[in-house]
Amino acid sequence: EAGVAQSPRYKIIEKRQSVAFWCNPISGHATLYWYQQILGQGPKLLIQFQNNGVVDDSQLPKDRFSAERLKGVDSTLKIQPAKLEDSAVYLCASSLSGTAYEQYFGPGTRLTVT
Amino acid sequence: GNSVTQMEGPVTLSEEAFLTINCTYTATGYPSLFWYVQYPGEGLQLLLKATKADDKGSNKGFEATYRKETTSFHLEKGSVQVSDSAVYFCALRNAGGTSYGKLTFGQGTILTVHP
Repeated sequence: EAGVAQSPRYKIIEKRQSVAFWCNPISGHATLYWYQQILGQGPKLLIQFQNNGVVDDSQLPKDRFSAERLKGVDSTLKIQPAKLEDSAVYLCASSLSGTAYEQYFGPGTRLTVT
Repeated sequence: GNSVTQMEGPVTLSEEAFLTINCTYTATGYPSLFWYVQYPGEGLQLLLKATKADDKGSNKGFEATYRKETTSFHLEKGSVQVSDSAVYFCALRNAGGTSYGKLTFGQGTILTVHP
């Protein structure tokens, strides 16, 4: 069974530029999560989707971050404009419907903002 | 709010040594507790879990017991291998409230095992 796919694996941009990350969850997984993992810290949930609807985006900095999951399958997370403090690993995870099920994580995208 | 605190790292051990990584938590209700492992260049993987007090989770020689009285979920392994070198995260899953089901992670502990 294929795991959670993410691309790109690495990205370097200058501050004030924009960037987008892509995630393809495990087939059949209705719930999709985006996490931000700053160096030396644990992952922090940014947004959770159930199919193509947002369940929780309370920790998403909505002035610069946006995410969508239009067809209820793959998802895109965008940052515009990026700040230095956005340098982190962005992890995507998916699970069967609902948070009671195990979350499977992708390898992450390492973003460096200079 | 809910929080998870792990022992400071990094932890460096020789092969076959005994491992303990401490984890304590603060939460309302009765959360489920997890240990995740992140090998270099890979995503997080669930290592073990416990869903109620006094449950013991175990996998690949690792164990952790859900201790409600001390709000702890310490990870142990009797004899570590070089292949256990990774970052270990303790986490809890909210049991109720507006953040039901949300995972809260500790800061992670880097483990390095030398031959």
